[in-house]
Amino acid sequence: NAGVMQNPRHLVRRRGQEARLRCSPMKGHSHVYWYRQLPEEGLKFMVYLQKENIIDESGMPKERFSAEFPKEGPSILRIQQVVRGDSAAYFCASSPDAGYEQYFGPGTRLTVT
Amino acid sequence: SQQGEEDPQALSIQEGENATMNCSYKTSINNLQWYRQNSGRGLVHLILIRSNEREKHSGRLRVTLDTSKKSSSLLITASRAADTASYFCATADFGNEKLTFGTGTRLTIIP
Repeated sequence: NAGVMQNPRHLVRRRGQEARLRCSPMKGHSHVYWYRQLPEEGLKFMVYLQKENIIDESGMPKERFSAEFPKEGPSILRIQQVVRGDSAAYFCASSPDAGYEQYFGPGTRLTVT
Repeated sequence: SQQGEEDPQALSIQEGENATMNCSYKTSINNLQWYRQNSGRGLVHLILIRSNEREKHSGRLRVTLDTSKKSSSLLITASRAADTASYFCATADFGNEKLTFGTGTRLTIIP
C-alpha cells in the first residue's frame, strides 16, 4: 500500500505565476488535508476535503488559494499569482475517516523567486 | 502559549539515554498525535492517544496524556542516533478534524 504521494517534490515559480500542487491519498482514504510549514515553524492547517467537498477551509488565505478533491484523480492545491511569502513546504495528509490518524506525504517545497 | 506547545524547544542527549518531550494545549481535545520530522523531510506518524486514554506504548515510545492538566509527554527510551529529528505534537478538537501543531522539539542524539 503506497503512502501519500505528492508531486512535484520541488517547485520553483516566479512572482505572479501559478503553482499547482498535487496529492494522491493512501488507498482507501477519502479524507485529505493540506498544511503549510514555514521555515523553522510547525505545520499550519489550511483545508480539509472529502471527495468533491470542502469540509473546512478555515486556514486558507481568502485570496489566490483554492483546493479541490475531485471524484477521480488527486487533490489539487492551487495558488494563483504567487508572491515570495508563499515560499514554504506544503504537506498533504490523508485518513480513512474522521477521527483517525493522518498520514502525511513527503511535501512539496515551493520557492517563489 | 500556543496550542500544542512543545517543551523543551531543543534537547541534546547521549545515545542510550532516555529523551522526554512535553506538549501543552489549551482546548478540549478528541485526540493528540505525535509526529517525527527529519530535516527537510515529511512527517512520520508515531502514535495517537485519545482523550479517554492515559498512556500508550509503541516499541521504545511511551506517550502519556493528562487531560486535567492539558498536557502530554513523549518518552523515547534507549535513544539511538537515528532518533535525531524534530518531534511535534498535534491536537484534534471534538468535531473538528484539523490538527493544530506546536512548534516542535528538536532532538539531537550524540553518538
